[in-house]
Amino acid sequence: DTEVTQTPKHLVMGMTNKKSLKCEQHMGHRAMYWYKQKAKKPPELMFVYSYEKLSINESVPSRFSPECPNSSLLNLHLHALQPEDSALYLCASSQDRTQYFGPGTRLLVL
Amino acid sequence: AQKITQTQPGMFVQEKEAVTLDCTYDTSDPSYGLFWYKQPSSGEMIFLIYQGSYDQQNATEGRYSLNFQKARKSANLVISASQLGDSAMYFCAMREEGSSYKLIFGSGTRLLVRP
Repeated sequence: DTEVTQTPKHLVMGMTNKKSLKCEQHMGHRAMYWYKQKAKKPPELMFVYSYEKLSINESVPSRFSPECPNSSLLNLHLHALQPEDSALYLCASSQDRTQYFGPGTRLLVL
Repeated sequence: AQKITQTQPGMFVQEKEAVTLDCTYDTSDPSYGLFWYKQPSSGEMIFLIYQGSYDQQNATEGRYSLNFQKARKSANLVISASQLGDSAMYFCAMREEGSSYKLIFGSGTRLLVRP
């Protein structure tokens, strides 16, 4: 089983809203990732958690705040986003070499 | 610097025929791995196949095979017996040197299977 789940599937939010994206995996993977993907572009890495600790932050603006409550869960807290933050947000997990992705959350910021 | 190049922005293939999606790469690291992912319009990135730089055989997974030509630095994906459900964006990727986590992606190839 290589399933990564993400909720919600779609999210519309205003620039003053606070919302959270959730990601879950039960494969015992040690690393979890957040990616942002704009239309017709490859995914861009945002954050990596390894063993529940933030390992990589790709200079992401502070309006995006990741959280890893336990080894199975990864959240992305959103606050004061801009319209240009509208994108597909993908979560992934890995144990060794291969990253397995979730279905993504399509975010629209109005 | 490491780089992945996919030169075909879009491809058409007739249902039941085979198709090759091109991927070339550049790296100075002797140890590397190459990945192919499929992304349907629904958005999920689906892992298809992996090839390690030291693997003697070309990787195969069902209808997917990887034509790995190390000297030419190419890792083309071959899809045999195309199906309508193969219509999607396909990304070639490799792990960034010195990183356990970062992937470098190509720009992708959009494949459309015609009935």
